[in-house]
Amino acid sequence: SQQGEEDPQALSIQEGENATMNCSYKTSINNLQWYRQNSGRGLVHLILIRSNEREKHSGRLRVTLDTSKKSSSLLITASRAADTASYFCATARFSGGYNKLIFGAGTRLAVHP
Amino acid sequence: SQTIHQWPATLVQPVGSPLSLECTVEGTSNPNLYWYRQAAGRGLQLLFYSVGIGQISSEVPQNLSASRPQDRQFILSSKKLLLSDSGFYLCAWEGGSNSPLHFGNGTRLTVT
Repeated sequence: SQQGEEDPQALSIQEGENATMNCSYKTSINNLQWYRQNSGRGLVHLILIRSNEREKHSGRLRVTLDTSKKSSSLLITASRAADTASYFCATARFSGGYNKLIFGAGTRLAVHP
Repeated sequence: SQTIHQWPATLVQPVGSPLSLECTVEGTSNPNLYWYRQAAGRGLQLLFYSVGIGQISSEVPQNLSASRPQDRQFILSSKKLLLSDSGFYLCAWEGGSNSPLHFGNGTRLTVT
C-alpha cells in the first residue's frame, strides 16, 4: 500500500489564491519530499524536508512536517495558472544504500485565470 | 550539471513482443538509479533500483527485468510484454541519503 496519501485528490482555485495540499504517512521516515508533475512529463523535485525539520520555504512554496502526526503540508501562495499540475509527496527511508521512496497518488491542482 | 536521458518517449508494442527502455545519466558518478511505473492518474510504483554496476534489486515480482551494464546506464527489459505492462515508465537518479530524485521525461508504453 502507498505510504504517502495526499488530500485532496483534486483542487480547483483561482489565480492569486493559496493552495494547500496535505500528505499523511504511516511509518518513520528519514525525509519527506514534494514533487510536481506536468501532464505527461517526469516529476520535478520541489522541496525535501528532513525528519528533524519542521518547516521549509522555497519561493512561493512552504512545506511543514509534523512527525508526531505523521503528516506534511505543501502551501503554494499567490497561485498562478502555470502552477496547474499534479503534486506528489514521497516519504523516504534510507536503507541498504538507497533511498526507498514511497509516493502517494497525488493532488491534481487546477489554477484558473 | 547533471542530466538524465530516457528514450523512447512513446512506444506501442504488441502483446508478446520484447521491450527495452534505456536511461542514461550524465554529469555524476555512481548514482543510485531507479525505475518507476505510473498508472494513469496514480502515484508511482517502484519497480527496480540499483546502487552500482550489476547490482539490481526488485521491489515487486513482475514480467520485467532491469540491468545496469555501465555506471550511468540503466535498462528496463521484458522478453514478452503483457497488456498489463502498459503505463508510464520513469527513470530517476539520486546521489545518496537525503538527496532528491531527478527524473527523466518518461516513456509512455502502450501494449496492444
